[in-house]
Amino acid sequence: KAGVTQTPRYLIKTRGQQVTLSCSPISGHRSVSWYQQTPGQGLQFLFEYFSETQRNKGNFPGRFSGRQFSNSRSEMNVSTLELGDSALYLCASSPTSGGASNTGELFFGEGSRLTVL
Amino acid sequence: AQSVSQHNHHVILSEAASLELGCNYSYGGTVNLFWYVQYPGQHLQLLLKYFSGDPLVKGIKGFEAEFIKSKFSFNLRKPSVQWSDTAEYFCAVNGVYGNKLVFGAGTILRVKS
Repeated sequence: KAGVTQTPRYLIKTRGQQVTLSCSPISGHRSVSWYQQTPGQGLQFLFEYFSETQRNKGNFPGRFSGRQFSNSRSEMNVSTLELGDSALYLCASSPTSGGASNTGELFFGEGSRLTVL
Repeated sequence: AQSVSQHNHHVILSEAASLELGCNYSYGGTVNLFWYVQYPGQHLQLLLKYFSGDPLVKGIKGFEAEFIKSKFSFNLRKPSVQWSDTAEYFCAVNGVYGNKLVFGAGTILRVKS
């Protein structure tokens, strides 16, 4: 079974540009979550999508947005990039999104490393 | 708001030494607790998890963790570490609904051979 696939793996942008990152979840998983990982702030939750609907959102500015498609693939977008957006962006998939049957286990991809110059 | 505190940022051990990594969380409701591991150059993967029942949970590679509700703690243990356990370890918590994990800052473990 293929794991979570994120593209691109590495990218370099300049301040003010925008970027789109893509995530393909494990087949059959309907929940996709995004996390930002930096040395200073650690792992921080961005948002979660389930069946094309945003279920949860973290404390990030509106420049950070996402969406999920009918095949469960997800994209996140960061507009007007700032130097502080340099980070490893991790995508995680899960079969469910809460409820009594939720195992809570997330399956992570290898991440997209964004460098903003 | 939920928060997770990991007591040590860097730990260095010799092979065969015992390991205990501390984790305390702040959340008033029912929680799910996790330890994830990130080996060098690899993606985050689940080590073990606690949802309910026996507070002593066993995970992969000989790791175990004990949930102590009165202390809001979920410490990770391994009786005898190996060089291959060198990695960064993250404690995480979420409520019973939703997949919003709150992670601790992580503990980098280096095992000397």
